[in-house]
Amino acid sequence: GAVVSQHPSRVICKSGTSVKIECRSLDFQATTMFWYRQFPKQSLMLMATSNEGSKATYEQGVEKDKFLINHASLTLSTLTVTSAHPEDSSFYICSARERTYNYGYTFGSGTRLTVV
Amino acid sequence: GENVEQHPSTLSVQEGDSAVIKCTYSDSASNYFPWYKQELGKRPQLIIDIRSNVGEKKDQRIAVTLNKTAKHFSLHITETQPEDSAVYFCAASILGGSARQLTFGSGTQLTVLP
Repeated sequence: GAVVSQHPSRVICKSGTSVKIECRSLDFQATTMFWYRQFPKQSLMLMATSNEGSKATYEQGVEKDKFLINHASLTLSTLTVTSAHPEDSSFYICSARERTYNYGYTFGSGTRLTVV
Repeated sequence: GENVEQHPSTLSVQEGDSAVIKCTYSDSASNYFPWYKQELGKRPQLIIDIRSNVGEKKDQRIAVTLNKTAKHFSLHITETQPEDSAVYFCAASILGGSARQLTFGSGTQLTVLP
């Protein structure tokens, strides 16, 4: 079945630094990647949608200059949290879709970001 | 945009009893309704899904029903077991055309008491 590999699984960084999260589709072409953020005991909230080769579309309230998304290839999308602050501490998870829907929505394993 | 509401937020049942979680959606164009089980710190796992051309779908102890007219869908788990304890999310999306995001409900913490 479809697999999305997400790294790192956990990261602790200092306030003010940047962190990059990668999602790779291993056996299908991820034409669209969705990035979600999940705070403790809350639901998954969509941050942005990216289509391969295009600029990401951000949800209202999500700063595009703070959360940089790159989807330059059909198998790799990255989310960079720039100048991280403690309030950015959260569980970040990607979800990929292949154009023909053969694989539905495939989730990465998530990244637990802690900013200290 | 789509809005999905989910109830209850917490649900405790005795082992062997049934559990029902309900969701409503707002966008009549939505045609795909998956249910996910999420354990702490893990990715959501698809447990069952239903498309709008079907009213009910069953997979062993799990079933989902959909009422398009009322715009609500429900998850039914029968003969619950302690390992069913987790957070369950409903979601809605539109399949076909360009890829659309999943909009999630707020989640239900299910606890199955032994």
